[in-house]
Amino acid sequence: GNSVTQMEGPVTLSEEAFLTINCTYTATGYPSLFWYVQYPGEGLQLLLKATKADDKGSNKGFEATYRKETTSFHLEKGSVQVSDSAVYFCALKGSSNTGKLIFGQGTTLQVKP
Amino acid sequence: GAGVSQSPRYKVAKRGQDVALRCDPISGHVSLFWYQQALGQGPEFLTYFQNEAQLDKSGLPSDRFFAERPEGSVSTLKIQRTQQEDSAVYLCASSPPRGEGPLDEQFFGPGTRLTVL
Repeated sequence: GNSVTQMEGPVTLSEEAFLTINCTYTATGYPSLFWYVQYPGEGLQLLLKATKADDKGSNKGFEATYRKETTSFHLEKGSVQVSDSAVYFCALKGSSNTGKLIFGQGTTLQVKP
Repeated sequence: GAGVSQSPRYKVAKRGQDVALRCDPISGHVSLFWYQQALGQGPEFLTYFQNEAQLDKSGLPSDRFFAERPEGSVSTLKIQRTQQEDSAVYLCASSPPRGEGPLDEQFFGPGTRLTVL
């Protein structure tokens, strides 16, 4: 079945450092891929998405490219800020009609000033 | 506008009690999802509604779990005879009709944290 695997955290970085959070997936067909973020005390929010191979999703300085050949959707940001501290979830939506999301286990990012 | 709301935000139940968790989706959203998020894990799909029809309940872990959305708006997730392993955050999400909003985006509520003692 479909699944998502994320790198384990926590990831601790200094402000302005480069961020990569790895995400790989297993799916049949052509899934859509997402990154969701959960800030402390808040609900899940969509950060970015890509719906087909080679698409790049971007938002708030974050980027991720849908790589079908490596079944990956790694999240990157060139210069993190303290306010980026949160839990990041990679997710996929398969080809079924229900639209249910399959999430990775989440990666906690801590950015120190 | 108002987002997805859930109530109660926190619920403590004794083992064996029944609980009911409520979700108010964004007005006009036809799709509604329930997810279960155990501590330190990602959300896991429970069930899906399109309007009042429950089209997928493959993620419900046992027959103690029951969800309904009788008028195609508010939804209730009911857990009977709660067990300790039911302790988790229960998330509700809704999404707009196709062509009326960002494709594929699900809008999540803040969740209900259930603790079973």
